Amino acid sequence: KQEVTQIPAALSVPEGENLVLNCSFTDSAIYNLQWFRQDPGKGLTSLLLIQSSQREQTSGRLNASLDKSSGRSTLYIAASQPGDSATYLCAVLGNNNDMRFGAGTRLTVKP
Amino acid sequence: GAVVSQHPSRVICKSGTSVKIECRSLDFQATTMFWYRQFPKQSLMLMATSNEGSKATYEQGVEKDKFLINHASLTLSTLTVTSAHPEDSSFYICSAPRGQQFFGPGTRLTVL
Repeated sequence: KQEVTQIPAALSVPEGENLVLNCSFTDSAIYNLQWFRQDPGKGLTSLLLIQSSQREQTSGRLNASLDKSSGRSTLYIAASQPGDSATYLCAVLGNNNDMRFGAGTRLTVKP
Repeated sequence: GAVVSQHPSRVICKSGTSVKIECRSLDFQATTMFWYRQFPKQSLMLMATSNEGSKATYEQGVEKDKFLINHASLTLSTLTVTSAHPEDSSFYICSAPRGQQFFGPGTRLTVL
């Protein structure tokens, strides 16, 4: 059974800092990997989707990488802002369409 | 992108009552939809796979008689929490695939 782990569980940084969130998964037979943002009490906002054949995706200040063979993905946030404060979830989609989530990293960016 | 809606967004009910949550794919058809549950400060956990025209597939530990799933059409799946108890209070989210998974906005259930 696929297991997804996110490190760290929580992170607090000053505004402007670059940061990296980590995600690892146990079964490399995946269809894609997706990073989401979740604000307190809200639903999910998709940030980046990386297909299994891709190595990275970029959107604005966000960059996500995927190393399927080692079961790892990172989300890089450049020049962090207080508005980036949220919980970031990594999710892996298996080939049978089942999606497994990590426990998330709770990010706080201090002004 | 594709749009998935959920109704209601928030519901408060008394213990012992049943609550129905709807998940709709607004601009595409989905033969499969997924239901997730999220307890406070925890990640989403897949509860079940809803299949149009056949029985839902439940994850281990999820009671199928308590969480009734009906995939009524190619655009609608419903989750009914039967005889709800306070421990069922949670955030329920559905998703439907169209190339990638598209998520509904979620339903917050509070059982008093």
